[in-house]
Amino acid sequence: DAGVIQSPRHEVTEMGQEVTLRCKPISGHNSLFWYRQTMMRGLELLIYFNNNVPIDDSGMPEDRFSAKMPNASFSTLKIQPSEPRDSAVYFCASSKNPQVTGANVLTFGAGSRLTVL
Amino acid sequence: RKEVEQDPGPFNVPEGATVAFNCTYSNSASQSFFWYRQDCRKEPKLLMSVYSSGNEDGRFTAQLNRASQYISLLIRDSKLSDSATYLCVVNYNDMRFGAGTRLTVKP
Repeated sequence: DAGVIQSPRHEVTEMGQEVTLRCKPISGHNSLFWYRQTMMRGLELLIYFNNNVPIDDSGMPEDRFSAKMPNASFSTLKIQPSEPRDSAVYFCASSKNPQVTGANVLTFGAGSRLTVL
Repeated sequence: RKEVEQDPGPFNVPEGATVAFNCTYSNSASQSFFWYRQDCRKEPKLLMSVYSSGNEDGRFTAQLNRASQYISLLIRDSKLSDSATYLCVVNYNDMRFGAGTRLTVKP
């Protein structure tokens, strides 16, 4: 099993540019989570999907952030336009059905480290 | 009030020491609980689940107190390799992480 795969691993961009982060969950996992981690705020849940449907996007900071999951094996997190305060590590994680206790262990990808200048 | 709160530390302990972390949560309907470990510049990884009756995995013991809404992690005979950040996680429909407690074990 290849685990959760994220790309890019590192991205440096200039303020105002569009950023797209990608995630491939573990095959058979039907829940996918996007987190953002900074020193100041720790690990924040941005949005999560269950069976490709967004369930809770209340953590998405503002309209500049959007996430999609067009199929069970792919998700994107887009920031447009990007700002310096968006600099963080963005993690994608997947799990089996979160409603089933014991089945909802999260497996994280290696993260995408974003720097917005 | 944050949904999941942890003492950020840092905890600096000598090898062989016993160290304990606590974590409180605000949603009394939370269904499951975990401890994750995160090494510097790496992703979080599951350390252990936390069961209502308490559970042990080698040198690690996790406990849950639903009445007081906190979970704890006890590490006995700490090793240099235990140095990491420990994150408590609380699940109620989604997975909410605490900010983490930084542990450094010194020779």
